[in-house]
Amino acid sequence: RKEVEQDPGPFNVPEGATVAFNCTYSNSASQSFFWYRQDCRKEPKLLMSVYSSGNEDGRFTAQLNRASQYISLLIRDSKLSDSATYLCVVNPYQGGKLIFGQGTELSVKP
Amino acid sequence: DGGITQSPKYLFRKEGQNVTLSCEQNLNHDAMYWYRQDPGQGLRLIYYSQIVNDFQKGDIAEGYSVSREKKESFPLTVTSAQKNPTAFYLCASRFGNTEAFFGQGTRLTVV
Repeated sequence: RKEVEQDPGPFNVPEGATVAFNCTYSNSASQSFFWYRQDCRKEPKLLMSVYSSGNEDGRFTAQLNRASQYISLLIRDSKLSDSATYLCVVNPYQGGKLIFGQGTELSVKP
Repeated sequence: DGGITQSPKYLFRKEGQNVTLSCEQNLNHDAMYWYRQDPGQGLRLIYYSQIVNDFQKGDIAEGYSVSREKKESFPLTVTSAQKNPTAFYLCASRFGNTEAFFGQGTRLTVV
């Protein structure tokens, strides 16, 4: 089993749609969690950190479910500019390595 | 400006050559990372370092070497032992358990 797994997609949605991504992780002791966005041929950039209580930033909501060992990202009212690859990132233990999922590709169409 | 800088942006390597990719940060971050990304794939960890003069292998370290002589610098050497080095290489740094910041990457091509 991979340490971090995501559905690679692609997810093709119309503008204004709500889309959700899930990401599962294998190490129950994992410390911190993030969602990154990567545009084509660019470096990944932080979208949001994921907190135990869940957190929201505008149209984006991230949640953590430790019992089931997954994190989720919800995007509401999708924009054309949301088209990108979304990467789930897990920090398995204090400090140390960051493990990336394979990424989920999102394409928002007019 | 504070940030993380990778150079060069594009690099061409002949068969059998070693090449070194530069990564410098002025964020005072303790941890630094090297990842490799192939087209349509996620990021795979090559090496990481949590403190100066110490580093650990990631999932795909074979054919690569690193050094961490200074806090600011974490160069990656792609050796001739790496049989398929053509890829996008990304360097990142972070402080504690916070988010990682990435450089703009180096695209390495074997010619």
